[in-house]
Amino acid sequence: DQQVKQNSPSLSVQEGRISILNCDYTNSMFDYFLWYKKYPAEGPTFLISISSIKDKNEDGRFTVFLNKSAKHLSLHIVPSQPGDSAVYFCAATLFGNEKLTFGTGTRLTIIP
Amino acid sequence: DTAVSQTPKYLVTQMGNDKSIKCEQNLGHDTMYWYKQDSKKFLKIMFSYNNKELIINETVPNRFSPKSPDKAHLNLHINSLELGDSAVYFCASSQERAGEQYFGPGTRLTVT
Repeated sequence: DQQVKQNSPSLSVQEGRISILNCDYTNSMFDYFLWYKKYPAEGPTFLISISSIKDKNEDGRFTVFLNKSAKHLSLHIVPSQPGDSAVYFCAATLFGNEKLTFGTGTRLTIIP
Repeated sequence: DTAVSQTPKYLVTQMGNDKSIKCEQNLGHDTMYWYKQDSKKFLKIMFSYNNKELIINETVPNRFSPKSPDKAHLNLHINSLELGDSAVYFCASSQERAGEQYFGPGTRLTVT
């Protein structure tokens, strides 16, 4: 049972445009959400997170939006840069719990 | 200095063998994890240790035995390796028992 889903396995965006990566979850108990970025042959690196008490969190070019009623979150990257080409994983947990449940990832390719 | 390191990076072995993967973190974190990323790129938690105490054990076959000699190290020993054990294994650590986790570069295990 996959509780965190990223339905788009890949996404291509032109450099300078906005990249929007989507994530859906089924467990309404999840209250903390994270995005990780992964380059080939490297481990995932933390990007940005959001608590369920917020609906938006921004860090530079990266913004995460949370829609609790729809059980949906999205990561916006603007403007997209070639170095953003990577696999992006969303993850969810209960705050205070060590267990992160990951989605299967979306491969983002930024076209110069 | 690498924050979370794993050795070896690649491991090729035959079915039935016993192997170990080592993980060390120099971040002073209290909690460490082992994840498995299978051929479908699904990243799933296997174990979590907090201050050398096992916190999470996610229905992993008992051929897998984690060992934490101290807070900075979490090793994974696998007995009687099977073809299905082929995957990339990631070690991670976090300061608190939730939230941002720092991942190692991964160990690609191939069982032939």
